[in-house]
Amino acid sequence: RKEVEQDPGPFNVPEGATVAFNCTYSNSASQSFFWYRQDCRKEPKLLMSVYSSGNEDGRFTAQLNRASQYISLLIRDSKLSDSATYLCVVNNRDDMRFGAGTRLTVKP
Amino acid sequence: GAVVSQHPSRVICKSGTSVKIECRSLDFQATTMFWYRQFPKQSLMLMATSNEGSKATYEQGVEKDKFLINHASLTLSTLTVTSAHPEDSSFYICSAEGRVDYPNYGYTFGSGTRLTVV
Repeated sequence: RKEVEQDPGPFNVPEGATVAFNCTYSNSASQSFFWYRQDCRKEPKLLMSVYSSGNEDGRFTAQLNRASQYISLLIRDSKLSDSATYLCVVNNRDDMRFGAGTRLTVKP
Repeated sequence: GAVVSQHPSRVICKSGTSVKIECRSLDFQATTMFWYRQFPKQSLMLMATSNEGSKATYEQGVEKDKFLINHASLTLSTLTVTSAHPEDSSFYICSAEGRVDYPNYGYTFGSGTRLTVV
């Protein structure tokens, strides 16, 4: 079983839609969590960290459920520019584990 | 969905030795493979890009003679860290891009390799 699992998608949504990604992790001792975004032929870039209390950055909301060991990313009012691959990243004591990525395509 | 298998997940080696990291695309053909590394508390940094059957393109500051990349087939790419030193200790991760005439899987990441050089 993978340490970090994501639905690979692809998710194809119209502009303005709300889309949610989930990610589960197997290591209960994991310490911190992130969502990365990767655009075509670019290196992944940090989108946002995920805190236990949940956090919001504009149209993006991230949540963490330690009891169930999953994190989520919600994107509201999707834009064409949101099309990318979204990576769930889990930081353990001595390493960082990546999900395989969820591909999102936002269409006009 | 597309899967990239990366091995080993962890390796400890002695200074001066070489370490090979493999990434295999299990159910698609990876025309392009990206290799990243990440130092503690830093973001992923792209090291090189390789296309099947051709030489890898290295990012500025990455020594091509030290980090040997081979992408001899559409399903396998390897990164060899030669004459490893403690400063090479890092987290290395690959990302594969599929062929355009196959279902477009986007970018699929391996699960990463933690290298510790002692």
